[in-house]
Amino acid sequence: RKEVEQDPGPFNVPEGATVAFNCTYSNSASQSFFWYRQDCRKEPKLLMSVYSSGNEDGRFTAQLNRASQYISLLIRDSKLSDSATYLCVVIRMDSSYKLIFGSGTRLLVRP
Amino acid sequence: DVKVTQSSRYLVKRTGEKVFLECVQDMDHENMFWYRQDPGLGLRLIYFSYDVKMKEKGDIPEGYSVSREKKERFSLILESASTNQTSMYLCASSSPGQGAYEQYFGPGTRLTVT
Repeated sequence: RKEVEQDPGPFNVPEGATVAFNCTYSNSASQSFFWYRQDCRKEPKLLMSVYSSGNEDGRFTAQLNRASQYISLLIRDSKLSDSATYLCVVIRMDSSYKLIFGSGTRLLVRP
Repeated sequence: DVKVTQSSRYLVKRTGEKVFLECVQDMDHENMFWYRQDPGLGLRLIYFSYDVKMKEKGDIPEGYSVSREKKERFSLILESASTNQTSMYLCASSSPGQGAYEQYFGPGTRLTVT
């Protein structure tokens, strides 16, 4: 079983829609959580951190549920430019340098 | 603007060849990483380094080695390339401590081994 699991998608939504992705992690020693974004044929870039209390950045909201071991990303009012692959990332308590990446959820926003 | 550069965007090598992938960062970061990215498998860590001349195995180090002689440069070496090493290779760097979670990636090298 992968340590970090994501639905690969694609999620195909119209502009203006609200879309949510979940990501589950299996290691309860996981300490920190993030979402990275990877555009087609580009490198991954940090999108936002995920805190226990939730984290909002404009149209993006990230939440953590430690009891159920999942994190979520909600995108409101989707834009064409949001089309990308969203990578769920976990850092384990035993190794702060190592990021564990999920394989990503692909989002396509159509006009 | 932060920059991580990789020596080649595309590379085609033959089975058995020795392959060098170079990565250079201009952010004075202590930590550097090599990943490979394959469809459905995500990014998998090959090796990382948290200081000059230091290296640590990641999750899939077999068939690879690394070299870090200078802080800004981290090289990945495929001692004898095989077809199952055909992949996208991504280099990343980060600062230590609280900054370690934000890794800056290079554009990647798509390696094909024939």
